[in-house]
Amino acid sequence: GESVGLHLPTLSVQEGDNSIINCAYSNSASDYFIWYKQESGKGPQFIIDIRSNMDKRQGQRVTVLLNKTVKHLSLQIAATQPGDSAVYFCAENYNNAGNMLTFGGGTRLMVKP
Amino acid sequence: DAGVIQSPRHEVTEMGQEVTLRCKPISGHNSLFWYRQTMMRGLELLIYFNNNVPIDDSGMPEDRFSAKMPNASFSTLKIQPSEPRDSAVYFCASRTGEGQPQHFGDGTRLSIL
Repeated sequence: GESVGLHLPTLSVQEGDNSIINCAYSNSASDYFIWYKQESGKGPQFIIDIRSNMDKRQGQRVTVLLNKTVKHLSLQIAATQPGDSAVYFCAENYNNAGNMLTFGGGTRLMVKP
Repeated sequence: DAGVIQSPRHEVTEMGQEVTLRCKPISGHNSLFWYRQTMMRGLELLIYFNNNVPIDDSGMPEDRFSAKMPNASFSTLKIQPSEPRDSAVYFCASRTGEGQPQHFGDGTRLSIL
């Protein structure tokens, strides 16, 4: 994902609607991807991960889609709730030894009641 | 289950002083990571350890920064002497092994005056 410095992209959704947060990753050799949620004053919280041999993975209310052709990752949140308001980061593992993550710049999700 | 524990949560000190940040990883996790987060640069990996051994410190900004992991349950990040540009939130993360998600602490908010 691209770093956008001071200006985080913001997605504003109505409570109950579905949210889709997108991320473009940089390295075609990346083989593991993670979505994190970060609330104010807290550390990034693991949401869901996906490996490059998959194109879709579902969790509780969340789905991650991976399109390796265009190096694109998305996080879908079903029935968005006020508690989902946070900054969401995608991270890619680009090191063949599997140790290092590169984080995108983040997207702020705002849920309107 | 206890997550990654960092201390202090907040630190305010004058430039030139030594700063020590502490981290207790999740029990059983054998990899530990130190990150720095700023508005301008996002999340940056500073250094990581595998089985208490530093593996990659290429993200450490200067010789003023040093990190140690004397045992599997404790790590420190030290800045000496500190400068105002070191002001940031510093996160520690740990994980069980390669291809597994990193779990973050809630960070130390460092302000250097």
